[in-house]
Amino acid sequence: GNSVTQMQGQVTLSEEEFLFINCTYSTTGYPTLFWYVQYPGEGPQLLLKVTTANNKGSSRGFEATYDKGTTSFHLQKASVQESDSAVYYCVLGEGGYKLTFGTGTSLLVDP
Amino acid sequence: ETAVFQTPNYHVTQVGNEVSFNCKQTLGHDTMYWYKQDSKKLLKIMFSYNNKQLIVNETVPRRFSPQSSDKAHLNLRIKSVEPEDSAVYLCASSRVFSGNTLYFGEGSRLIVV
Repeated sequence: GNSVTQMQGQVTLSEEEFLFINCTYSTTGYPTLFWYVQYPGEGPQLLLKVTTANNKGSSRGFEATYDKGTTSFHLQKASVQESDSAVYYCVLGEGGYKLTFGTGTSLLVDP
Repeated sequence: ETAVFQTPNYHVTQVGNEVSFNCKQTLGHDTMYWYKQDSKKLLKIMFSYNNKQLIVNETVPRRFSPQSSDKAHLNLRIKSVEPEDSAVYLCASSRVFSGNTLYFGEGSRLIVV
């Protein structure tokens, strides 16, 4: 079956540092890949999405490239702000109605 | 701007009681979901409905039952809650295919004492 792996449970950075969150996936088909972000007290919301292999998605300064060769979809941002503190989920969608969520990475940015 | 509304936001109850969570979406979507989020922020899908039809029913205890009156509403009833049911229950909606964006509500936090 489908699976998504996020090894980093928690990341702590200072403002203006570079963010990199690992995500790898496993599937037999042609998935759509997403990053969702959940701010404290809110539900998750879409951050970015990529439907085609080897394409890049970007939003609000965040970027992720869908790499079919390495089955990775890492999230990065050049310079984080305190307001980026949240939980980030890598998500795999492949037809049907069910998405596969990663375990989430909690980002804490110190001012 | 919130378009998926959940009530109540917070509920404390004793073991063995019955609890219901309500969800309404105003996006005109065909598909609605219930997810459970545990204390480690792990998200697990419980149920999914498309046009009032149950299409995903993950392995959850039988005390959980979804109820849908129309495609804009999906409620969750928990009959006889257990301590392990303490979690945040998140409702979401989307257009029919999973390639489309999920819109989540703010969640309903359940604490079982």
